[in-house]
Amino acid sequence: NAGVTQTPKFQVLKTGQSMTLQCAQDMNHEYMSWYRQDPGMGLRLIHYSVGAGITDQGEVPNGYNVSRSTTEDFPLRLLSAAPSQTSVYFCASSYSFSGLYNEQFFGPGTRLTVL
Amino acid sequence: KNQVEQSPQSLIILEGKNCTLQCNYTVSPFSNLRWYKQDTGRGPVSLTIMTFSENTKSNGRYTATLDADTKQSSLHITASQLSDSASYICVVSRSDSWGKLQFGAGTQVVVTP
Repeated sequence: NAGVTQTPKFQVLKTGQSMTLQCAQDMNHEYMSWYRQDPGMGLRLIHYSVGAGITDQGEVPNGYNVSRSTTEDFPLRLLSAAPSQTSVYFCASSYSFSGLYNEQFFGPGTRLTVL
Repeated sequence: KNQVEQSPQSLIILEGKNCTLQCNYTVSPFSNLRWYKQDTGRGPVSLTIMTFSENTKSNGRYTATLDADTKQSSLHITASQLSDSASYICVVSRSDSWGKLQFGAGTQVVVTP
């Protein structure tokens, strides 16, 4: 199993540009989520999905869109990039949304810089 | 204010020595507490998961403790190795929204020869 994969690893954008961060998992996990990690702060939830066709907002959703057309893929779209979106983005997945020992598996991250 | 506070922010230890990291949380209602290890340039990897009924859990040289009454947890690293250099993140989940985790900012550990 490849686990959770993310592409690209690095990306530089200009303000106003749009792009899609890709995330895929091959573990047949129901739950997938996107986080951003900024220096000195904990990971913050952007959007999440509890299954194909179902998405919801997390703590910091503004400026981002998601969709979940298949169980495997959960892309994150930046509509009009802003310097405040410079961050490291992590995708994660878990078998289900609930459960006391429900472990989340994280991808390797995408480092995004917006100029 | 972050509901999960970790201390210290960073520490440097000599190879072979022990160290203890602290995590205080205010998340309620509490479901479970996790410790993750994040190597530079990588995603977090789970070390331990504990529910309110568990007060100790080990994973090799890593031992986590939990006091659900005082809402404190610690992660003890025994006989540190160079490969232990990483950020250690405390994560707490609520029982009413398990999928939405509250992350601490992490403790950066540097092990020197």
